[in-house]
Amino acid sequence: AQSVTQLGSHVSVSEGALVLLRCNYSSSVPPYLFWYVQYPNQGLQLLLKYTTGATLVKGINGFEAEFKKSETSFHLTKPSAHMSDAAEYFCAVSESGPNAGKSTFGDGTTLTVKP
Amino acid sequence: EAGVTQSPTHLIKTRGQQATLRCSPISGHTSVYWYQQALGLGLQFLLWYDEGEERNRGNFPPRFSGRQFPNYSSELNVNALELEDSALYLCASSLNGRGGYPYNEQFFGPGTRLTVL
Repeated sequence: AQSVTQLGSHVSVSEGALVLLRCNYSSSVPPYLFWYVQYPNQGLQLLLKYTTGATLVKGINGFEAEFKKSETSFHLTKPSAHMSDAAEYFCAVSESGPNAGKSTFGDGTTLTVKP
Repeated sequence: EAGVTQSPTHLIKTRGQQATLRCSPISGHTSVYWYQQALGLGLQFLLWYDEGEERNRGNFPPRFSGRQFPNYSSELNVNALELEDSALYLCASSLNGRGGYPYNEQFFGPGTRLTVL
């Protein structure tokens, strides 16, 4: 069974500081990994995804994530936080096979950006 | 290009009633997914429909059901509503999910907020 753990339900950074949101997963097969962002009263928007190939994935709004199989991690980073980055972020894992189409989401991390 | 749309935006029901939520996918998308986002419980997978068929189901009781129409729009029905069904219900769509292409990007709608009194 697949699962996702996001370490830290709340992360606070200063504007211009590094953003690091942690995600660890478990999967019995090679995973597909995603990061989504949710702004208040909106649906989720895909930031980036890892399927195969290059382990460092670049997404929208300056975010990137690195797939580390040995650490079963897919942490999200951004070199310099902007006020507009304040939102809730979700890491998700998806599989092929019997669980195809069934994405499992982490509990989310709320990012606060201080001026 | 129009995004995923959901209706209604808000829905208020009482315990024991039935709720029907609707979702229209992005044009060309054949897969529709339903999720429940309850306060404190994160985002839980409910159902996946593709080409009119239910492809996968999350750990929810049978009173959560749905269907997908020939135009790929979808309906989620919740029978015998309970207080704990109060949540934001999100619909997402993606390109053909047949054969298990879970890495197809899912595009989310704004959600329907269901309140059960």
